[in-house]
Amino acid sequence: KQEVTQIPAALSVPEGENLVLNCSFTDSAIYNLQWFRQDPGKGLTSLLLIQSSQREQTSGRLNASLDKSSGRSTLYIAASQPGDSATYLCAVTGQAGTALIFGKGTTLSVSS
Amino acid sequence: EPEVTQTPSHQVTQMGQEVILRCVPISNHLYFYWYRQILGQKVEFLVSFYNNEISEKSEIFDDQFSVERPDGSNFTLKIRSTKLEDSAMYFCASSERGLAETQYFGPGTRLLVL
Repeated sequence: KQEVTQIPAALSVPEGENLVLNCSFTDSAIYNLQWFRQDPGKGLTSLLLIQSSQREQTSGRLNASLDKSSGRSTLYIAASQPGDSATYLCAVTGQAGTALIFGKGTTLSVSS
Repeated sequence: EPEVTQTPSHQVTQMGQEVILRCVPISNHLYFYWYRQILGQKVEFLVSFYNNEISEKSEIFDDQFSVERPDGSNFTLKIRSTKLEDSAMYFCASSERGLAETQYFGPGTRLLVL
C-alpha cells in the first residue's frame, strides 16, 4: 500500500530564505506526483505536476524534482515571502488508478 | 479562470440524517473526484467518476456513500445515514482527462455531524 511521508511537519524561516520541502513515497510505481498548497480552512491549489518520466518542473520561484527510483521528491522555494506561508501537500498517483495519495503536509511559516 | 465550485460551504446535520454535497466541476473536464480531510489528518481519496460511472473507490466509500451526475454540470456526493466520524472537510476535484492530468480542487464543504 502506497504511503506518502513529508518532512519536516513544520518549518519557520525568515523572509528571503531559500528552502526545501521533502516528500517520500514507498512504492516507486507512480504515474505522477503533484504538489499542492493549502491555506487554513481552504481548498487545495495545485502548484506543480511532475510526470513519472520527468525529473523536474518549474513555476516561478518554485522548482519540484522527482527521483522515482528512490521514492523522493523535493519542492524548492526560492526567496521565500510571507505570502508563501501555508501547508504544502505532496500527492502521488499510482499507475493503476486515478486516486491521489496524499502526505500529511509541511506547514511553512515565513516571517517578515 | 475556470474553477471548481462547491455548495454548501458549511453543513451541520444530526447523526443518521442524509446529506448531499454538491459540486460543479470545470466545464470541459471529464473526470470527477471526491476527497475528504478529517481535521488534522491527511486528505483521503473517496471516489473517482468518469463517463457516468465510478472508475475507482477507496475502502472508505462504502454503501453509505453514493455519487451522481444528475445533469450536465453538477456532481453530487450523498451520505445516506451520517455518523459522527463523517465530520470532515469534503473536497470535490476535476481533471480534463484521467491519469496524466492535474486535478483541480474546489474550496470544500465542511460537514459537522452532531
